[in-house]
Amino acid sequence: GAGVSQSPSNKVTEKGKDVELRCDPISGHTALYWYRQSLGQGLEFLIYFQGNSAPDKSGLPSDRFSAERTGGSVSTLTIQRTQQEDSAVYLCASSLSTYGQYFGPGTRLTVT
Amino acid sequence: QKEVEQNSGPLSVPEGAIASLNCTYSDRGSQSFFWYRQYSGKSPELIMFIYSNGDKEDGRFTAQLNKASQYVSLLIRDSQPSDSATYLCAVGDNQGGKLIFGQGTELSVKP
Repeated sequence: GAGVSQSPSNKVTEKGKDVELRCDPISGHTALYWYRQSLGQGLEFLIYFQGNSAPDKSGLPSDRFSAERTGGSVSTLTIQRTQQEDSAVYLCASSLSTYGQYFGPGTRLTVT
Repeated sequence: QKEVEQNSGPLSVPEGAIASLNCTYSDRGSQSFFWYRQYSGKSPELIMFIYSNGDKEDGRFTAQLNKASQYVSLLIRDSQPSDSATYLCAVGDNQGGKLIFGQGTELSVKP
């Protein structure tokens, strides 16, 4: 079946602009996660959704970051007033159970 | 701060050899453990998960878990050049669903 999809695959934006990143999880997967991976850094957790609720937002680095999930499916991660340190690959993952998370291809964000 | 530690490598093994990748974790209460493979420029791919002490085998891969010593390892038998990638160890957070990742070990299998 179809895996996790993310769009856009690449995004170049100017410092100070807002960006929206989209994630379509595997159909039926109730849990959805956002992570980011910077050059030389490990995978950093951002936020977790169970259904449309976000019980764990502890990884969001600042109030410029927000995310929502609608219909228990698609999620959008929004970064307002982007900064150069926001440049990273943003990865979305979904899972049905505790038997592992499945990652999408990621969105490479470059802030110039 | 819950931590997951891996040797960054690179770990270089000849084709056909056994590659051994190790990981330690700080939270003694951790219950779920995962190995992901990440090729350069690609996203992580789940290859193994383990919950119970002991060994779990899947094809050429064996995951080993020792909760008393707080380590988990991944053995790759008959290593192939196509196994060359970064291997990420991840531990499930008991407070929620997130995974805590190590920095990854780069594996290079030489023909």
